Amino acid sequence: DGGITQSPKYLFRKEGQNVTLSCEQNLNHDAMYWYRQDPGQGLRLIYYSQIVNDFQKGDIAEGYSVSREKKESFPLTVTSAQKNPTAFYLCASSIVGANQETQYFGPGTRLLVL
Amino acid sequence: SQQGEEDPQALSIQEGENATMNCSYKTSINNLQWYRQNSGRGLVHLILIRSNEREKHSGRLRVTLDTSKKSSSLLITASRAADTASYFCATEPVNNAGNMLTFGGGTRLMVKP
Repeated sequence: DGGITQSPKYLFRKEGQNVTLSCEQNLNHDAMYWYRQDPGQGLRLIYYSQIVNDFQKGDIAEGYSVSREKKESFPLTVTSAQKNPTAFYLCASSIVGANQETQYFGPGTRLLVL
Repeated sequence: SQQGEEDPQALSIQEGENATMNCSYKTSINNLQWYRQNSGRGLVHLILIRSNEREKHSGRLRVTLDTSKKSSSLLITASRAADTASYFCATEPVNNAGNMLTFGGGTRLMVKP
């Protein structure tokens, strides 16, 4: 099955703790994205990456970090500097190029603060 | 920042009725897309309309785009209970690096059986 997976489905964070959300795709897509969704709201872009070993900040990057060591993987770390991390986190991927703008989403990870 | 704004924020209809959702945006775009999200799930792409297109159909979905008014509408005909979900418009701005999309706040549709 081709697709994009996220784990875990639920994640609990203690005060001062860094946590890492996993995102893996086997669609051979070059671009990957991380979004944050608050209840009843739309998606806001945290980070994106168009190619391995390169990534760019989105609209709300403060308190988050990413890496892109492999084409298939784009993990997101929520650091202790993110003071309000409770949200639904969505990872997406897409082909880079003209007329290939559709993004494919994973099932999401819900992060809760203890 | 949110480029697209959906209207209404919530919509409740009976099964068999049509549902219309609107999206307004602020800057020039290459294309506009509509996505669907079931509660607690990821988004699923529904349809894409390019800036040089005015109308597009896919099954029970009809999308229109008016670039002079910077607005789009999504019509779902003969709605079903299974259409209950949130619907988001997303725009790809002109001169966009990285195929980035900007999402609106969504319309929450409830279709009552």
